[in-house]
Amino acid sequence: GAGVSQSPSNKVTEKGKDVELRCDPISGHTALYWYRQRLGQGLEFLIYFQGNSAPDKSGLPSDRFSAERTGESVSTLTIQRTQQEDSAVYLCASSLGIGQGGGYTFGSGTRLTVV
Amino acid sequence: AQSVTQLGSHVSVSEGALVLLRCNYSSSVPPYLFWYVQYPNQGLQLLLKYTSAATLVKGINGFEAEFKKSETSFHLTKPSAHMSDAAEYFCAVSRTGTASKLTFGTGTRLQVTL
Repeated sequence: GAGVSQSPSNKVTEKGKDVELRCDPISGHTALYWYRQRLGQGLEFLIYFQGNSAPDKSGLPSDRFSAERTGESVSTLTIQRTQQEDSAVYLCASSLGIGQGGGYTFGSGTRLTVV
Repeated sequence: AQSVTQLGSHVSVSEGALVLLRCNYSSSVPPYLFWYVQYPNQGLQLLLKYTSAATLVKGINGFEAEFKKSETSFHLTKPSAHMSDAAEYFCAVSRTGTASKLTFGTGTRLQVTL
């Protein structure tokens, strides 16, 4: 597509429930990233996929968080047993591969509220 | 490891005044540097990026930034602020400019007053 698409745009869930957030990257972008932005704070790196390489999961805050990506297409970020501190905007970005120039394009994010 | 420090979480300027938002970086390799803007309830928009070409980088909306290796800085400037510039600004660094994670600063909220 023309840009990075994220769904849903807003999600309200009860504490303890699982949620899935979806990201559709720009076609042809081999790299995909997830970030979290808590209210009034900067962007916190969560996970990064690059082609068929093992993902960089160094930013995932706990084992309740996981992400998958099928090939070079859609990615889903799953949060199990949600907690109130998980409330944030989850941003996805994509980019071309190493040496391909360009930059990072961000989606509009999913606003997650855990009540 | 790479990091970015943005000095000043809030900056207030008068309309028409110079905008200066500070960013200092730390990187063990030649960095790629970015400024992003986030308007209220919107996603991140790229303002400009430094990718080892010209040290003075011009971006959208009249913004520019100068890469100074000796000072490890990449400050964002605009000669004359406009009310529409009010937003959150983020400086970020990456190792390769693409296909490696961006590390963000904590952001600077710019307020523009009449």
